[in-house]
Amino acid sequence: GNSVTQMEGPVTLSEEAFLTINCTYTATGYPSLFWYVQYPGEGLQLLLKATKADDKGSNKGFEATYRKETTSFHLEKGSVQVSDSAVYFCALSDSSGGGADGLTFGKGTHLIIQP
Amino acid sequence: DAGITQSPRHKVTETGTPVTLRCHQTENHRYMYWYRQDPGHGLRLIHYSYGVKDTDKGEVSDGYSVSRSKTEDFLLTLESATSSQTSVYFCAIRGQTDNSPLHFGNGTRLTVT
Repeated sequence: GNSVTQMEGPVTLSEEAFLTINCTYTATGYPSLFWYVQYPGEGLQLLLKATKADDKGSNKGFEATYRKETTSFHLEKGSVQVSDSAVYFCALSDSSGGGADGLTFGKGTHLIIQP
Repeated sequence: DAGITQSPRHKVTETGTPVTLRCHQTENHRYMYWYRQDPGHGLRLIHYSYGVKDTDKGEVSDGYSVSRSKTEDFLLTLESATSSQTSVYFCAIRGQTDNSPLHFGNGTRLTVT
């Protein structure tokens, strides 16, 4: 079956530090990959996505590249801010199932940025 | 923001009582989902719907039922609530375009005492 593995944290960084959150996946088909962000008390918001190998998704200074050879989709940001403190979820969608059955999520990485 | 409203936002109930959570969307999307979020488990799919009266089970469906009588509404029912069902419940919707992302509501925090 499908699965997503990511570090759970908390990951604590200083403001302006470089961020990497690792995500690796197992899928039976040809998945699309997503990063979601969750701020306290809110639902998940789509941060970025990539739909095929070597695609790079980007948004708000965050980037992730779909690496089929290493089955990875690591999230990066060059200079984090306190406002980036949140929980980040990596997820996949296996299109071979027709798309109806939702996404498979990792357990989430809690990121804390200190001023 | 995608038009998704979950109600109630918070609920406290007693073990053994029935509970219904509601998800309402204004996007006319075909696919709707119920997830639960728990520490150490991330999000787990409970049930999903691919059209009116068309639903299917997710990975943690035991103790839950769903109904979808209209495109815009997807109800999650706990027939007899247990303490293990204390969680935050999220509804999500998805368009029909290939590789469409999920859009989430703001969640319902349910406590079963």
